[in-house]
Amino acid sequence: DVKVTQSSRYLVKRTGEKVFLECVQDMDHENMFWYRQDPGLGLRLIYFSYDVKMKEKGDIPEGYSVSREKKERFSLILESASTNQTSMYLCASSLFRGPAPQHFGDGTRLSIL
Amino acid sequence: AQSVTQLDSQVPVFEEAPVELRCNYSSSVSVYLFWYVQYPNQGLQLLLKYLSGSTLVKGINGFEAEFNKSQTSFHLRKPSVHISDTAEYFCAVMPSGGSNYKLTFGKGTLLTVNP
Repeated sequence: DVKVTQSSRYLVKRTGEKVFLECVQDMDHENMFWYRQDPGLGLRLIYFSYDVKMKEKGDIPEGYSVSREKKERFSLILESASTNQTSMYLCASSLFRGPAPQHFGDGTRLSIL
Repeated sequence: AQSVTQLDSQVPVFEEAPVELRCNYSSSVSVYLFWYVQYPNQGLQLLLKYLSGSTLVKGINGFEAEFNKSQTSFHLRKPSVHISDTAEYFCAVMPSGGSNYKLTFGKGTLLTVNP
């Protein structure tokens, strides 16, 4: 089974801090994704990556950046955290470009105080 | 661009009753269609997908969905639900041509199965 591991289930940070959310997948998947999930809004794509050192903006990239130095690891960075970035963050991976199923981690619930 | 509308934000049902979760989509191109389920405190997992061929698609845990191109719908059904089906369900679309493989999700339907 594919396993997507997010480094923290719960995280509390302060406004203005630089925040790193880490995600690792163990199945040599090409593609990795970061979403945020908010009640009543569903999932919204922040950034994605089809290859090492490659990144593309999703639908809501403002205030975020990403890093993919190794194929199995995809990091989401909040450059200067703000309270409106309090949310559930979900990482996912998929095998290839196209209609491959996305495999999700269990999420990181991030609170910015 | 694509969009997905899940018509019901919450659906309460009794155990062993049938259920239908509704999904409509909008797209100027052909699409692939997906249903994902999210159990409490977990990430999403794929229930089923429609890529091509038969419009009736069967998935895990006894769920099925039917693609209706003329009505741009992909409703999810189960003939008899269990308490363990209580979860949030997300419909999603992906363009089937070109190089854009982004998933666009609906806002979700919370299915609550009561004893």
